[in-house]
Amino acid sequence: GAGVSQSPSNKVTEKGKDVELRCDPISGHTALYWYRQSLGQGLEFLIYFQGNSAPDKSGLPSDRFSAERTGGSVSTLTIQRTQQEDSAVYLCASSPELRAEQFFGPGTRLTVL
Amino acid sequence: TQLLEQSPQFLSIQEGENLTVYCNSSSVFSSLQWYRQEPGEGPVLLVTVVTGGEVKKLKRLTFQFGDARKDSSLHITAAQPGDTGLYLCAGLDRGSTLGRLYFGRGTQLTVWP
Repeated sequence: GAGVSQSPSNKVTEKGKDVELRCDPISGHTALYWYRQSLGQGLEFLIYFQGNSAPDKSGLPSDRFSAERTGGSVSTLTIQRTQQEDSAVYLCASSPELRAEQFFGPGTRLTVL
Repeated sequence: TQLLEQSPQFLSIQEGENLTVYCNSSSVFSSLQWYRQEPGEGPVLLVTVVTGGEVKKLKRLTFQFGDARKDSSLHITAAQPGDTGLYLCAGLDRGSTLGRLYFGRGTQLTVWP
């Protein structure tokens, strides 16, 4: 497909376990964003990648959260030692250039028991 | 910090009614975007407004950007069940070169047939 894809669509894990969430952006898009959407909340910015530049990690809520983007394409968001408050929908978006329209994937719903 | 306040948070109306949702902030944004999100999907961009006082129309949807570029409104005429969804406004930080968006919490609209 031509859109942003994310996997898995749903993830249920136990408190304390690590999880990895994957994002495949639209081919050719240089910018990639991760957001978190909790119930009743808007989208919370987590991290941003642009080309080969150092990522903007200013939105990561704690050092348990990290993300990488390999080869300027696929990105993985890792949450270590998950907590119940990490339960949310994690959305990825890509953009063809800075400050351009962001195209969102369907999200990964994470539930921490 | 919640930079963008949306109201109302919930709106339930009958098909054919008109409605307006609001997005307010004390901050100035270089542009403001409106998205619609349906269950299990990521937000989809409806419109971007850039100029203070700008009005854009998209079929039955009318978007307005405040003169001071701090607020915006979305008006829907003769709402239809297909308009049901979560409407999100997002401001592009005026000082950001990276395209970081700040989202409101959204207005959940339900249109009954």
